[in-house]
Amino acid sequence: QVQLKESGPGLVQASETLSLTCTVSGFSLTSYHVSWVRQPPGKGLEWMGRIRSGGSTDYNSALKSRLSISRDTSKSQVLLKMNSLQTEDTAIYYCTSPPHYWGQGVMVTVSS
Amino acid sequence: DIVMTQAPLSVSVTPGESASISCRSSKSLLHSNGITYVYWYLQKPGKSPQLLIYRMSNLASGVPDRFSGSGSETDFTLKISRVEAEDVGIYYCGQLLENPYTFGAGTKLELK
Repeated sequence: QVQLKESGPGLVQASETLSLTCTVSGFSLTSYHVSWVRQPPGKGLEWMGRIRSGGSTDYNSALKSRLSISRDTSKSQVLLKMNSLQTEDTAIYYCTSPPHYWGQGVMVTVSS
Repeated sequence: DIVMTQAPLSVSVTPGESASISCRSSKSLLHSNGITYVYWYLQKPGKSPQLLIYRMSNLASGVPDRFSGSGSETDFTLKISRVEAEDVGIYYCGQLLENPYTFGAGTKLELK
């Protein structure tokens, strides 16, 4: 059974770095891509970037300068780091193995 | 970036009747392999998006056959026949043809 689960701090200070972890089960990170998608409160979905099964990455150009996605295949984890956080980065952050599988999401609030 | 435009932004439906949601892409989503990379998701209140339709017209596993997807290269439709209470939520179309993946703004379905 495929599962993805996000974890990380619920509250981050502005200008600091966000670190999130997506732990997957039921599939191998070397076989499927994993993306990060975020959703500000009451708003729509924004694709942030992905790490491909081969380990290469693609980023949304709007976030590329601040975003890094990596993985630890031994732990079945995908890691997201985003620096210089602003209040506009307050959102639910989802990891997904598109198109079918999504995590439950983790709410991140950026405090000024 | 490919822009996905949904209409209407909200729809109110009497249970048992049908509903249609439109989505238009700013670029053809038809790949040279013959696959059209448009997807439909339903996000129920407080939940992660769940896949309804993949590759324009394929029903995702476990999704009732009251849902159907159709379209052309740039114009797509999600039809829900015999709307039920469990269909309430926000519907998103999305394109997974090229980076960055993008989504429509969402259509909120409510019951009359």
